Amino acid sequence: DQQVKQNSPSLSVQEGRISILNCDYTNSMFDYFLWYKKYPAEGPTFLISISSIKDKNEDGRFTVFLNKSAKHLSLHIVPSQPGDSAVYFCAASGGTGNNDMRFGAGTRLTVKP
Amino acid sequence: NAGVTQTPKFQVLKTGQSMTLQCAQDMNHEYMSWYRQDPGMGLRLIHYSVGAGITDQGEVPNGYNVSRSTTEDFPLRLLSAAPSQTSVYFCASSHGQLNTEAFFGQGTRLTVV
Repeated sequence: DQQVKQNSPSLSVQEGRISILNCDYTNSMFDYFLWYKKYPAEGPTFLISISSIKDKNEDGRFTVFLNKSAKHLSLHIVPSQPGDSAVYFCAASGGTGNNDMRFGAGTRLTVKP
Repeated sequence: NAGVTQTPKFQVLKTGQSMTLQCAQDMNHEYMSWYRQDPGMGLRLIHYSVGAGITDQGEVPNGYNVSRSTTEDFPLRLLSAAPSQTSVYFCASSHGQLNTEAFFGQGTRLTVV
């Protein structure tokens, strides 16, 4: 069962515009959420995280929003840059403990110059 | 500073063969983990370790063994490879629990024929 879902396999945006990547989860026990970015032939790299006690976390051009009632989170990238082109994974933990990590299938973001 | 190093990068096995995927980290992290990435599935946790001598199962542990004799190393063993184990494998380490920022290796692409 896929407890973390990224329903958009791909997203294309113009350089300088906003990129919004979405993630839904089904397990109400999840209490910590992370976003990872992955370039081809490399391992994922940590981008930003958010605890369930918050509804927003910001780090430079990246902001994650959490809507617990809707079991939905989103990653906003403003402004988008060509170097942001990568696969973005949403991850959640806390389902059966802090070492239970579940990842979404990823969204491939392409930022066009 | 190498971070997390995985070897080999590529491997082809015949069904029934055994092999060990190596993972080493030089950041003195307590937590280490192994994931597999399959198309449309995201990353799934295989096994993890919270410190030397301590390992536990993740979401998809069947067919894999691990051990953690030192802080630095966390090898993943396939005792009898099956085509269903064809995947990209990532090792990760983190200072805190698995739901904190993790550092990933570059991955091992394994094909079982």
